[in-house]
Amino acid sequence: GENVEQHPSTLSVQEGDSAVIKCTYSDSASNYFPWYKQELGKGPQLIIDIRSNVGEKKDQRIAVTLNKTAKHFSLHITETQPEDSAVYFCAAKDSSYKLIFGSGTRLLVRP
Amino acid sequence: GAGVSQTPSNKVTEKGKYVELRCDPISGHTALYWYRQSLGQGPEFLIYFQGTGAADDSGLPNDRFFAVRPEGSVSTLKIQRTERGDSAMYLCASSLIGAEQYFGPGTRLTVT
Repeated sequence: GENVEQHPSTLSVQEGDSAVIKCTYSDSASNYFPWYKQELGKGPQLIIDIRSNVGEKKDQRIAVTLNKTAKHFSLHITETQPEDSAVYFCAAKDSSYKLIFGSGTRLLVRP
Repeated sequence: GAGVSQTPSNKVTEKGKYVELRCDPISGHTALYWYRQSLGQGPEFLIYFQGTGAADDSGLPNDRFFAVRPEGSVSTLKIQRTERGDSAMYLCASSLIGAEQYFGPGTRLTVT
């Protein structure tokens, strides 16, 4: 089955700097890759996603890139703000319905 | 509109007791999912409903876990004879068929 690895597990950046989180997946049949932000005590919130027919997608300060050949995808956050501090999860899904999640990255944005 | 809601937000129970966790999906979403999240880890799939039927329950850890969705909307996850290892955050998500999954706030279950 699908396996998703995520790194780094923790990331500390200065406010205004960029943050990059990387994930790799194992199943070449996976075709949908969402990113979720989870704040303490809350459920995961979908922030951006990408499908396998696209190489990059951007939404304001957030962008996701996908390299199907290498089976990896990345989340890029520019101009980080303290409210970006949270745990971020990547996930992968094939033509079925089951999301397979990475182990999470704890992002801390220092004011 | 209203998002996915889950009740209770927190549940503390004694080992061996029975618990029910409720999920109200986004209106119109025919697909509903349950995931379990242990501390410091990503959510893990438990069960998927398409309408009223459980299309895939392969993630349920054992026969103490059961879920229903009798009218194709609200779902209840039921855990019998709870064990301390069942302590986790239980997350519900819903979606249109093949579309993005939106998660609720979760139920934090603690088995003492």
